[in-house]
Amino acid sequence: DTGVSQDPRHKITKRGQNVTFRCDPISEHNRLYWYRQTLGQGPEFLTYFQNEAQLEKSRLLSDRFSAERPKGSFSTLEIQRTEQGDSAMYLCASSLSFRDSNNEQFFGPGTRLTVL
Amino acid sequence: AQSVTQPDIHITVSEGASLELRCNYSYGATPYLFWYVQSPGQGLQLLLKYFSGDTLVQGIKGFEAEFKRSQSSFNLRKPSVHWSDAAEYFCAVGARITGTASKLTFGTGTRLQVTL
Repeated sequence: DTGVSQDPRHKITKRGQNVTFRCDPISEHNRLYWYRQTLGQGPEFLTYFQNEAQLEKSRLLSDRFSAERPKGSFSTLEIQRTEQGDSAMYLCASSLSFRDSNNEQFFGPGTRLTVL
Repeated sequence: AQSVTQPDIHITVSEGASLELRCNYSYGATPYLFWYVQSPGQGLQLLLKYFSGDTLVQGIKGFEAEFKRSQSSFNLRKPSVHWSDAAEYFCAVGARITGTASKLTFGTGTRLQVTL
């Protein structure tokens, strides 16, 4: 079990640039979630995929944010025209759905974004 | 909308002392409740979860939590703290998205410091 992996672990960018993060879930997990965690806060839900379908999006996910999971495996989160307020830790989690899964989400180490 | 309150931002205990971290939640239905731990530079690790049944749940690393519906609480306890328990602790409530999938709403966390 290799766990959830995220790449890169750290990203520093200038305001106005685009950035893309990648998440590789646990291999048999069909559910994937993105969360954002700012300093001193708990993680906040951004979006949810079941297989390749994006089924839920938070109002936190502005038009500058887009997430994909094209083949139902890895996912990418892109932020266009970054702003300083986008600086945060972006966390990915995955889980397995079956009747009695208890819906446990396994988290990756996160990508820390700093926008200068 | 669901919410989680962790009233203690920072707690300091001596190694070997007992620990209780408080968590209160607000959710309209029967909640799924979780405690996660986050160490610096690490992802979130699940300590324990409550879905139904016995209101006293056991987790990893000697932690336990008790669900009290009348008090809307899910406090985390450990009888004897070890220095390695120093970390940030997050309580979360799961709110259903679709089917059996749920998104997590986290509290702001409690930072635990352990003195030797």
